[in-house]
Amino acid sequence: KNQVEQSPQSLIILEGKNCTLQCNYTVSPFSNLRWYKQDTGRGPVSLTIMTFSENTKSNGRYTATLDADTKQSSLHITASQLSDSASYICERNAGNMLTFGGGTRLMVKP
Amino acid sequence: GAGVSQSPRYKVAKRGQDVALRCDPISGHVSLFWYQQALGQGPEFLTYFQNEAQLDKSGLPSDRFFAERPEGSVSTLKIQRTQQEDSAVYLCASSPRQTPNTGELFFGEGSRLTVL
Repeated sequence: KNQVEQSPQSLIILEGKNCTLQCNYTVSPFSNLRWYKQDTGRGPVSLTIMTFSENTKSNGRYTATLDADTKQSSLHITASQLSDSASYICERNAGNMLTFGGGTRLMVKP
Repeated sequence: GAGVSQSPRYKVAKRGQDVALRCDPISGHVSLFWYQQALGQGPEFLTYFQNEAQLDKSGLPSDRFFAERPEGSVSTLKIQRTQQEDSAVYLCASSPRQTPNTGELFFGEGSRLTVL
């Protein structure tokens, strides 16, 4: 069973709208948790990295939150743009052990 | 370029054929990872190198998979006697740190393998 579960599997939103993607992990402790954006046919690119002591971190229109008690993280995208269409992947890191979620496929429509 | 480079980008192999996938990490990066990514799924760990030492190969799915990084820079993932279930994107990532628990992982664009 994957230790990192993401939801929803896919999401369609209209341009300009906000959305929130979820990541639940079942194993702790961990060193940090990262969110990646993966465009079709490309490799993942890091968006944010959070240590277990951080609650929130922003990178432009992307804001990641982390609740270590409930073992949940979320990625909030504000004022979505067409270029936000991609897969968003959550990764839990414990030393050399990097575990990725299955990703959420986001489509932003005009 | 300055990023992680993988080749070939696309490879079509007949079942039973051997393939070799190459990864050129960012110069000076100590850690190198190989991942397998099935369509619509997240990356699955295959193996990890620290310089030329293969410290973890627990993710390699069978003894048909072999990876090496003989001089601590370029790495090759070899798949022998390919089978249809080997069809996936193979991602390589590198990191400047010995244990990439705080630094960023830099991914290549992947090698898409299709086994007919």
